[in-house]
Amino acid sequence: QLQLQESGPGLVKPSETLSLTCTVSGGSISSSSYYWGWIRQPPGKGLEWIGSIYYSGSTYYNPSLKSRVTISVDTSKNQFSLKLSSVTAADTAVYYCARDHSGTTSFDYWGQGTLVTVSS
Amino acid sequence: QSVLTQPPSVSAAPGQKVTISCSGSSSNIGNNYVSWYQQLPGTAPKLLIYDNNKRPSGIPDRFSGSKSGTSATLGITGLQTGDEADYYCGTWDSSLSAGGVFGGGTKLTVL
Repeated sequence: QLQLQESGPGLVKPSETLSLTCTVSGGSISSSSYYWGWIRQPPGKGLEWIGSIYYSGSTYYNPSLKSRVTISVDTSKNQFSLKLSSVTAADTAVYYCARDHSGTTSFDYWGQGTLVTVSS
Repeated sequence: QSVLTQPPSVSAAPGQKVTISCSGSSSNIGNNYVSWYQQLPGTAPKLLIYDNNKRPSGIPDRFSGSKSGTSATLGITGLQTGDEADYYCGTWDSSLSAGGVFGGGTKLTVL
């Protein structure tokens, strides 16, 4: 059974960089069939797609976040990562990593999510 | 303001049927596949429908999806109290601001 697990700091200071890693187990991140994505959800609000990456390194980002987002993949560790720079309180959210099974933002496996709070 | 428009809430009695709409445009729903997700309180979203009307393994046939033009609909029959959750539609937007988009979510209350 495929499992995804987010890890990283739960508290980030304003203007600093948020960094999260998603570890994939029970399957290979190098499978040619899938993309891997990050989605976030501010407290009490809806879902927002942040971006996705293919195992080859090809990336797609939300245009509204593109200038601040970097998603990378480490196939040797079966992990992919998110960096979001210059964070503000508006970036406080539960961050999910997920597998996009068809490359059309159709996410069939999700991590449990991790709350990241931006505060000094 | 979400790119895809969903009603904030719907409600129905146990055993009844409910539909949740998702309205978009030609750059998203009109030319791309739609997915639907169920999010129970305090949990990660769960994929219910993909490619407009396909169910992943393990999703009961009480859940169905359809698409017409620039709108999509999620149907749930034989409502159960355990279906009370937030439901989101999602798709790809092929406009100049291309990327994944979600609806604002619909809270289903099973009365």
